[in-house]
Amino acid sequence: DTGVSQNPRHKITKRGQNVTFRCDPISEHNRLYWYRQTLGQGPEFLTYFQNEAQLEKSRLLSDRFSAERPKGSFSTLEIQRTEQGDSAMYLCASSLGVNTGELFFGEGSRLTVL
Amino acid sequence: AQSVTQPDIHITVSEGASLELRCNYSYGATPYLFWYVQSPGQGLQLLLKYFSGDTLVQGIKGFEAEFKRSQSSFNLRKPSVHWSDAAEYFCAVVRGSTLGRLYFGRGTQLTVWP
Repeated sequence: DTGVSQNPRHKITKRGQNVTFRCDPISEHNRLYWYRQTLGQGPEFLTYFQNEAQLEKSRLLSDRFSAERPKGSFSTLEIQRTEQGDSAMYLCASSLGVNTGELFFGEGSRLTVL
Repeated sequence: AQSVTQPDIHITVSEGASLELRCNYSYGATPYLFWYVQSPGQGLQLLLKYFSGDTLVQGIKGFEAEFKRSQSSFNLRKPSVHWSDAAEYFCAVVRGSTLGRLYFGRGTQLTVWP
């Protein structure tokens, strides 16, 4: 299966530690998105890349969060100095440049901050 | 600002019964509307979308949705539910000019009784 792949699937960390999540999109997709989903809520948009360029960032993406997509392929989302409020499922999605509006989502990376 | 309301947090239906999941949106122009499904352990999957044209749209897995501008609604329907339809369903609207920047409702959890 060559769908969107996210690693790790689950990360438990202590408050104040840094964590990094990786997303490998579908290979021909040039757009990549990060969303965050907390319990009982729908996904919330964080940021979006077209190729290697980060084109939009939500206000939710504080300065402790940084996302990169260095070669326009995989992407990383780093959270520095984690807080308990960062506990959530982090979802990655990708889409084609000629956008039909359909996003293909990965299974997500669940972060638990103790 | 655009928003999406899914008034039903949890719905239970018997297998074979009909289903309607409600979605209301608030948006100043013609919206781009979506329904996604999230099954346990799987990524969000697009069921159907509305951009323009025919207000009754057909999707995968036997689902359909009807766009009603006068009611600001985009309700999801299925005439006969199968046990495998048990999942969480999210209505979403495009936020801004980027098709992939979605604003999701909080979701409706569907339970199917055998």
